[in-house]
Amino acid sequence: GAVVSQHPSRVICKSGTSVKIECRSLDFQATTMFWYRQFPKQSLMLMATSNEGSKATYEQGVEKDKFLINHASLTLSTLTVTSAHPEDSSFYICSARDDRVRYEQYFGPGTRLTVT
Amino acid sequence: RKEVEQDPGPFNVPEGATVAFNCTYSNSASQSFFWYRQDCRKEPKLLMSVYSSGNEDGRFTAQLNRASQYISLLIRDSKLSDSATYLCVVNINFNKFYFGSGTKLNVKP
Repeated sequence: GAVVSQHPSRVICKSGTSVKIECRSLDFQATTMFWYRQFPKQSLMLMATSNEGSKATYEQGVEKDKFLINHASLTLSTLTVTSAHPEDSSFYICSARDDRVRYEQYFGPGTRLTVT
Repeated sequence: RKEVEQDPGPFNVPEGATVAFNCTYSNSASQSFFWYRQDCRKEPKLLMSVYSSGNEDGRFTAQLNRASQYISLLIRDSKLSDSATYLCVVNINFNKFYFGSGTKLNVKP
């Protein structure tokens, strides 16, 4: 149980374009989803927290107009990187949690974004 | 001071060895604690939750010491497949949590 998928697993895009990443909880309802980014050899950095049906809460320093998050249902959240730049190239990972049941987060397999 | 601190390692140990990592936290109101493992270029996977009474899962034992504000992870009979980065996570409340920067373990034949 507690499987989270992410799509795509890898994406290469050109500077200035937008990229959408999907995060799905496959066998449980995710009342909360988290979005992280991770640079090589660095720790996870929380970008934002989203609850189903409400606006995401962004961490300090994360531009909400650049990283659009939509938590449309209890099984799906999307992160759109708008007007991507090469410095946005990173490993983006989502996690999901059912707050009614537990504190533990379950992570998706991540999306490796390369902006050229 | 960081909310959660871990020795980055690497810990280089031979197969079969016992190895232990600690993770210290600064907020005494922390409520729940977890260990995750992360393989290179992969997502973190939940290894175990850490309960007040301590808990064991096969070769892995987790302990919580609230007085000294640290959690520990003990791995017995290390396998090559245990090589990974081990992350501790401390929850202050549901939406306030902190990841340690991870401890790298290399198990060598």
